[in-house]
Amino acid sequence: DTGVSQDPRHKITKRGQNVTFRCDPISEHNRLYWYRQTLGQGPEFLTYFQNEAQLEKSRLLSDRFSAERPKGSFSTLEIQRTEQGDSAMYLCASSLTGVIYNEQFFGPGTRLTVL
Amino acid sequence: TQLLEQSPQFLSIQEGENLTVYCNSSSVFSSLQWYRQEPGEGPVLLVTVVTGGEVKKLKRLTFQFGDARKDSSLHITAAQPGDTGLYLCAHNQAGTALIFGKGTTLSVSS
Repeated sequence: DTGVSQDPRHKITKRGQNVTFRCDPISEHNRLYWYRQTLGQGPEFLTYFQNEAQLEKSRLLSDRFSAERPKGSFSTLEIQRTEQGDSAMYLCASSLTGVIYNEQFFGPGTRLTVL
Repeated sequence: TQLLEQSPQFLSIQEGENLTVYCNSSSVFSSLQWYRQEPGEGPVLLVTVVTGGEVKKLKRLTFQFGDARKDSSLHITAAQPGDTGLYLCAHNQAGTALIFGKGTTLSVSS
């Protein structure tokens, strides 16, 4: 299977701890996106990369959140000093520049629970 | 941000019934996308509609884009339990971020 993969699938942590999630996009895709989805909502955009450059960040991405894509391949999303409000599904997607309608392919997500 | 309103929020039907879900906005879009998301998984793209009045069919699913390109609908004929999931409409803002509606949660029981 060469789709988007995310690790871990589930993470339970205590408030105040740091967590890091990983996303491996489809290998030839140069764009990578992070979204957050809470219960009863559609996914909300957090940030995106084109190759290794982080080109856009949502206002939802507070200073406790940081994302990297060091070699333009996999990406990590770190949340520092987690809060209960950070509990959500974190989705990663990838796409290829120039593809019509910018079709994005999503991974299975990482479900974060902050106790 | 151009908002997408989806209705109904929840729909519970019996196998074999037909249903329609809606995605509305006051804004005009160059295109809209429909996704289906199963519990514990990421959304999967079903279709992109781009032309006002366009109708696209995917097996038992029929997608329509409004003439004014402000709204879209998804009609499912003879629903099956495998159609259960969250149906999301979305538009591609500036060619990068997807902006989603809140979705319609569909439950089809046998």
